[in-house]
Amino acid sequence: AQTVTQSQPEMSVQEAETVTLSCTYDTSESDYYLFWYKQPPSRQMILVIRQEAYKQQNATENRFSVNFQKAAKSFSLKISDSQLGDAAMYFCAYRSATGANSKLTFGKGITLSVRP
Amino acid sequence: GAGVSQSPSNKVTEKGKDVELRCDPISGHTALYWYRQSLGQGLEFLIYFQGNSAPDKSGLPSDRFSAERTGGSVSTLTIQRTQQEDSAVYLCASSTWTRDIYGYTFGSGTRLTVV
Repeated sequence: AQTVTQSQPEMSVQEAETVTLSCTYDTSESDYYLFWYKQPPSRQMILVIRQEAYKQQNATENRFSVNFQKAAKSFSLKISDSQLGDAAMYFCAYRSATGANSKLTFGKGITLSVRP
Repeated sequence: GAGVSQSPSNKVTEKGKDVELRCDPISGHTALYWYRQSLGQGLEFLIYFQGNSAPDKSGLPSDRFSAERTGGSVSTLTIQRTQQEDSAVYLCASSTWTRDIYGYTFGSGTRLTVV
């Protein structure tokens, strides 16, 4: 079974600074997807960024980018120019690219606070 | 609708009572998922529906939990004889198909409190 580990329960960043959120995972599969979701106080999970495992190039979405290290099974999220609106819980998630069930496996999440 | 709608937003119930949580997915989305988010924990998979296929119930924690999806659209998660450990946020998500690599669209969840 796949597992996703987010070892840092909380992090804090100064507004306009850069912060990196860590995530590691364990799988025996070679084809899969990785995601970062943001959960603000509204509780709705919002997709931040995704990465296909077969792609070597790290995904980037505006101020958000990932450092995907497939051999190390590491998938960290970098937030540049942090904004107050980035304050939320962030979840790393894994999904197999094979099989009929596309359920997501989540880490426990990290609470990010942004200091003005 | 424009998004995944869940109701009620919050529910307080007495221990031992039954509760029903509702999820209305995005129109046309054939895949529907239920997750449970307990305090300090990640999201725990509960059940998955895909079209007319038999649901994957492998994540349901006990036989007190059940779910159905009527007409391939609205889904109801039922918890019988609620216990305090059932207190959590229950999130529903839908997607266009099982291999939708863009992930799911989540609802805002139902916060269940068992007292």
